[in-house]
Amino acid sequence: SSELTQDPAVSVALGQTVRITCQGDSLRSYYASWYQQKPGQAPVLVIYGKNNRPSGIPDRFSGSSSGNTASLTITGAQAEDEADYYCNSRDSSGYHVVFGGGTKLTVL
Amino acid sequence: EVQLVESGGGLVQPGGSLRLSCAASGFSVSSNYMSWVRQAPGKGLEWVSVIYSGGSTYYADFVKGRFTISRDNSKNTLYLQMNSLRAEDTAVYYCARDKRGTEDWFDPWGQGTLVTVSS
Repeated sequence: SSELTQDPAVSVALGQTVRITCQGDSLRSYYASWYQQKPGQAPVLVIYGKNNRPSGIPDRFSGSSSGNTASLTITGAQAEDEADYYCNSRDSSGYHVVFGGGTKLTVL
Repeated sequence: EVQLVESGGGLVQPGGSLRLSCAASGFSVSSNYMSWVRQAPGKGLEWVSVIYSGGSTYYADFVKGRFTISRDNSKNTLYLQMNSLRAEDTAVYYCARDKRGTEDWFDPWGQGTLVTVSS
């Protein structure tokens, strides 16, 4: 299997731009997807594939990828964006899935 | 509306068994890949198992040989049979539709069901 590494915590001033990164060898072969989780709630898909947003996700959320690193960018962060964010992808086997450890985003 | 609803969680003693259910609506469990993901208290998300539309199953190493994923097409329901439970299996268990192709994603997710393994 393989691992995905995320920074444990990131902060951003209200209205500013923040990038959350996810690193791992599997990202050279597979796109990451990104999930937002607020306390006591189930995760919600926010970005998948090259840079796709599900219906209902604000366009301030975007994704990108380069080499072994995937990034989630929030342009103009809002107070309601404060949450934990997780990346995932398939692992090197192609059958299993691996999650990053999660990044706690604080909006100041 | 596409929706998943889990049930079956609860308190179980170490070494015991539990079966979780995940009822789907708005789409067919049998036509999709379906996964279980868990989250220990205060910890991150951890993938547990997947069942492919063709019936193949795969497990994370930490549950292999103890957990079994299955589905009942007539009930449009996914299951996770958990045997030989350990304290470290204590977590909220989520089911999710697992889309795989050139781009992968999990959506939707159920609300989760809490499993507590304790004497």
